[in-house]
Amino acid sequence: SQTIHQWPATLVQPVGSPLSLECTVEGTSNPNLYWYRQAAGRGLQLLFYSVGIGQISSEVPQNLSASRPQDRQFILSSKKLLLSDSGFYLCAWSPTGDQPQHFGDGTRLSIL
Amino acid sequence: DQQVKQNSPSLSVQEGRISILNCDYTNSMFDYFLWYKKYPAEGPTFLISISSIKDKNEDGRFTVFLNKSAKHLSLHIVPSQPGDSAVYFCAASAGAQKLVFGQGTRLTINP
Repeated sequence: SQTIHQWPATLVQPVGSPLSLECTVEGTSNPNLYWYRQAAGRGLQLLFYSVGIGQISSEVPQNLSASRPQDRQFILSSKKLLLSDSGFYLCAWSPTGDQPQHFGDGTRLSIL
Repeated sequence: DQQVKQNSPSLSVQEGRISILNCDYTNSMFDYFLWYKKYPAEGPTFLISISSIKDKNEDGRFTVFLNKSAKHLSLHIVPSQPGDSAVYFCAASAGAQKLVFGQGTRLTINP
């Protein structure tokens, strides 16, 4: 069966520091991969999605970037974190086509 | 522009009764709809989906209804159980890949 791993579970970072969140999927090949952010009291906002290695689509202009160096690995990065980057970050995967997305357990990011 | 709206931020239902969660959308191109359940500090868990060619889909205690003319979908949970207490998100997509989520409804099941 397929599993998705996301780490770390919680992270506290100072303003201006870099960020790297990693997500890996097991048990499938060539998945679609996604990064979402849930701000406090809000819904899930799609940040990036990828349909293959090196293929990244950005949904909103922001201080973050994403990369997919391997088929089942998706990384969310920032060179300099802002206070507004605080939130709950979720990675998800899906097969191609109209299929449900399946989420990792998320990373709670707090910026001080 | 909020393309998917869940107008009730919270809902309280007695155990054993029916829970009805509602969702409205504005984009007539949406053709695939999903409901997710989320516990605190966890990722959302997929519950049930429906494509636009159907108006109803059932899975155990969960039924999703789609009214395309009204651009409205609902999730019915019968009977409601304490473990159903969570935040429920509806989501929609136009074609594959990108889901648009509502803001969520917090469901509380009271014993």
